Amino acid sequence: AQTVTQSQPEMSVQEAETVTLSCTYDTSESDYYLFWYKQPPSRQMILVIRQEAYKQQNATENRFSVNFQKAAKSFSLKISDSQLGDAAMYFCAYRSAGGGTSYGKLTFGQGTILTVHP
Amino acid sequence: DTGVSQDPRHKITKRGQNVTFRCDPISEHNRLYWYRQTLGQGPEFLTYFQNEAQLEKSRLLSDRFSAERPKGSFSTLEIQRTEQGDSAMYLCASSLDEAGLANYGYTFGSGTRLTVV
Repeated sequence: AQTVTQSQPEMSVQEAETVTLSCTYDTSESDYYLFWYKQPPSRQMILVIRQEAYKQQNATENRFSVNFQKAAKSFSLKISDSQLGDAAMYFCAYRSAGGGTSYGKLTFGQGTILTVHP
Repeated sequence: DTGVSQDPRHKITKRGQNVTFRCDPISEHNRLYWYRQTLGQGPEFLTYFQNEAQLEKSRLLSDRFSAERPKGSFSTLEIQRTEQGDSAMYLCASSLDEAGLANYGYTFGSGTRLTVV
């Protein structure tokens, strides 16, 4: 079974600065997908960024980028030029890319609460 | 069709009562998932459907829980004889998964918050 670990329960950052959220995972599979989701207070979870394990290039989406280290099973999220609207709970998630009935299921980490200070 | 809809948004029930939640996925999505999220934790997988077939159920889904997706459209999650430990946010999500398509993350609904008193 796969596990996802987020070792930072809380992080804070000053507006306009950069913050990095950590995520490690454990799997015996070689092909999979990794995601970062954002969950603002009392609002629905939205996808921030995704990474295919077979791609060596790190994914980027505007101010959000990842550092994907497959050998180390590490998948960190960097938020540049932080904005007040970035404040939320962030979840790292893993999804198998192979076949079988578990294909499609997301395994989430415990989450990191990000506070952005003006 | 602008997203995944869940109803109700909030439900307060007395211990021992039955409750049913509904999820309407994005219409073209063939997969539908149920997750449970307790305060301050990540969502935990409960079950998922591909079209009308329930393909996997978590061990978290005790005999008191049942989910259906008739005709592969909306889904219901029923909890019988609710217990205080069932208090949580129940999240529904949907995705389009077909061979050859890129795998995107899910689209989540806003969830149903259940409080058992």
